[in-house]
Amino acid sequence: SYVLTQPPSVSVAPGQTARVSCGGNSIGTKSVHWFQQKPGQTPVLVVYDDIDRPSGIPERFSGSNSGNTATLTISRVEAGDEADYYCQVWDSSSDHWVFGGGTKLTVL
Amino acid sequence: QVQLLQSGAEVKKPGASVRVSCWASGYTFTNYAMHWVRQAPGQRLEWMGWTTADNGNPKYSQNFQGRVTINRDTSASTAYMELSSLRSEDTAVYYCAKSMIQGVRSHFYAMDVWGQGTTVTVSS
Repeated sequence: SYVLTQPPSVSVAPGQTARVSCGGNSIGTKSVHWFQQKPGQTPVLVVYDDIDRPSGIPERFSGSNSGNTATLTISRVEAGDEADYYCQVWDSSSDHWVFGGGTKLTVL
Repeated sequence: QVQLLQSGAEVKKPGASVRVSCWASGYTFTNYAMHWVRQAPGQRLEWMGWTTADNGNPKYSQNFQGRVTINRDTSASTAYMELSSLRSEDTAVYYCAKSMIQGVRSHFYAMDVWGQGTTVTVSS
């Protein structure tokens, strides 16, 4: 089955840029979606189809995807961005939606 | 606005079954696929299955094949997920999530609106 690998944690100071990676075999050929989940809350879609943002999501959130790595970039990080971030893809070979293990973003 | 409202928390004994409901409002229920995703304590999100937009056909993750049943009542705009033969490892928060795009292939697209989650605890 398809595996998505994320770093367990990323730390960044307020105002800096955070990058959360999501590794997978030829992930650049798939559409990657990113979710933000704050403690005790429901996941929120922040980036879909690699680079697009749902309405209401700040422009500070952006995505990229190439080769074997997709990246969620959060610019000008704020304390309120502290959360777990999950990547997700549809794996056609196994007919499954697959989630990464999640990355905890800590704002120092 | 688009909302998914799930049923309340459940406590079940090992071997029992649980049924979680998800009432949709604010959009045309049959135009969008509905997914079910669970999250065990401290674990990653795990996709369980879907019902398609048009005819509500279910598809299940192999991880739950034989134990999960997903269906819907279009007259009530409600989706259901039933999990049987519960074990302690099934203790988790269960979410319904709507597909972002409408149409017969909507189950292949991102999930943009999620229910508030239903906590299922399996304990003897």
